[in-house]
Amino acid sequence: DAKTTQPPSMDCAEGRAANLPCNHSTISGNEYVYWYRQIHSQGPQYIIHGLKNNETNEMASLIITEDRKSSTLILPHATLRDTAVYYCIVRVPLSSGSARQLTFGSGTQLTVLP
Amino acid sequence: DGGITQSPKYLFRKEGQNVTLSCEQNLNHDAMYWYRQDPGQGLRLIYYSQIVNDFQKGDIAEGYSVSREKKESFPLTVTSAQKNPTAFYLCASSIGRADEQYFGPGTRLTVT
Repeated sequence: DAKTTQPPSMDCAEGRAANLPCNHSTISGNEYVYWYRQIHSQGPQYIIHGLKNNETNEMASLIITEDRKSSTLILPHATLRDTAVYYCIVRVPLSSGSARQLTFGSGTQLTVLP
Repeated sequence: DGGITQSPKYLFRKEGQNVTLSCEQNLNHDAMYWYRQDPGQGLRLIYYSQIVNDFQKGDIAEGYSVSREKKESFPLTVTSAQKNPTAFYLCASSIGRADEQYFGPGTRLTVT
């Protein structure tokens, strides 16, 4: 799995967009970008993933640069409940019949301020 | 509601005792995982199972054991051989070919 670099912490005002960056300059052609988050003392939660096109779901948007060396997770209207550690993971998706572990780095602590 | 349950949420044990952590899922997922998380750190894989009656060691399996007798259940035993058992233990599951893992709420084990 490719190495990722994220800022250790960020603040965001409630109701504003939170933009969380991730650098993955060694990403290879078949590796996807995944985002999870972990609220304090809870299990991690899957957010979104993508290969090279921008992706959007009910939780967030994922913007991947054209060279795929970095990406940004966007929470369009952050709420206090979005305060969590956000993890960017780059990896090859599962092949048929196999199971794979997730390797989390240290992530970004996002604090949404009232 | 479908999901993953872990029990108990907090567990206290004396050093030298074995303890079993429960993980149950009703998502009909094939694969299940056990991770350990220490304060301020990411996840480390202990064991995983792709199908019933099969499981594989992860990066830090020493001092742990698992069983997978039913698709829904993947209990983890922390044995007395585990040198630093105090940690937050997370169970996850995924559909065999899917990459999104769904996590339980975790069990915080304290051994004194």
